[in-house]
Amino acid sequence: SQQGEEDPQALSIQEGENATMNCSYKTSINNLQWYRQNSGRGLVHLILIRSNEREKHSGRLRVTLDTSKKSSSLLITASRAADTASYFCATDRDNFNKFYFGSGTKLNVKP
Amino acid sequence: DTAVSQTPKYLVTQMGNDKSIKCEQNLGHDTMYWYKQDSKKFLKIMFSYNNKELIINETVPNRFSPKSPDKAHLNLHINSLELGDSAVYFCASSQDLTGSGEQFFGPGTRLTVL
Repeated sequence: SQQGEEDPQALSIQEGENATMNCSYKTSINNLQWYRQNSGRGLVHLILIRSNEREKHSGRLRVTLDTSKKSSSLLITASRAADTASYFCATDRDNFNKFYFGSGTKLNVKP
Repeated sequence: DTAVSQTPKYLVTQMGNDKSIKCEQNLGHDTMYWYKQDSKKFLKIMFSYNNKELIINETVPNRFSPKSPDKAHLNLHINSLELGDSAVYFCASSQDLTGSGEQFFGPGTRLTVL
């Protein structure tokens, strides 16, 4: 069964607002990554957080990881129309080189 | 300078046909992957290769056969195509086998089986 489950499935906000997406997983992990997919394109890596880290920042992105709850969140601050995309979390499980993705959160940022 | 390229971008074919999708990466990475993204956007790993050696083969029908002539190329051949094979197929690469590195994805190949 799939490992990462993103929530919500879809999110619509106004430009300038913050967007928060969540990811839950079922088994212990080594790393968790977030990716963005623009419509009709491949996935682009955003940020990686290791199991011994609790928070990580990259520009307007903030990722948290709670291994006790088996969940992660991605916060995009001061969103822009260009942030409109689907966002996926990917977890590695069992062995390092196998990643499990969910079906993503579709974010729509209205100008 | 495309890092991971796939051809073709679109593929429309009849049930029962055999087709191939090609993937090339110019990043010097050791590991390459094939993923399938279904109509609900769920992305699932199919295969991974490390230095031309098959590492992962997720319960994929044996109609799907990956081939890696060298570590920069990973092609996917599909025999006897079925309606359920319709999806977007993504090739990806990463520096090594560990999960600590990012994966670089190609633009995808949209396969439609009629």
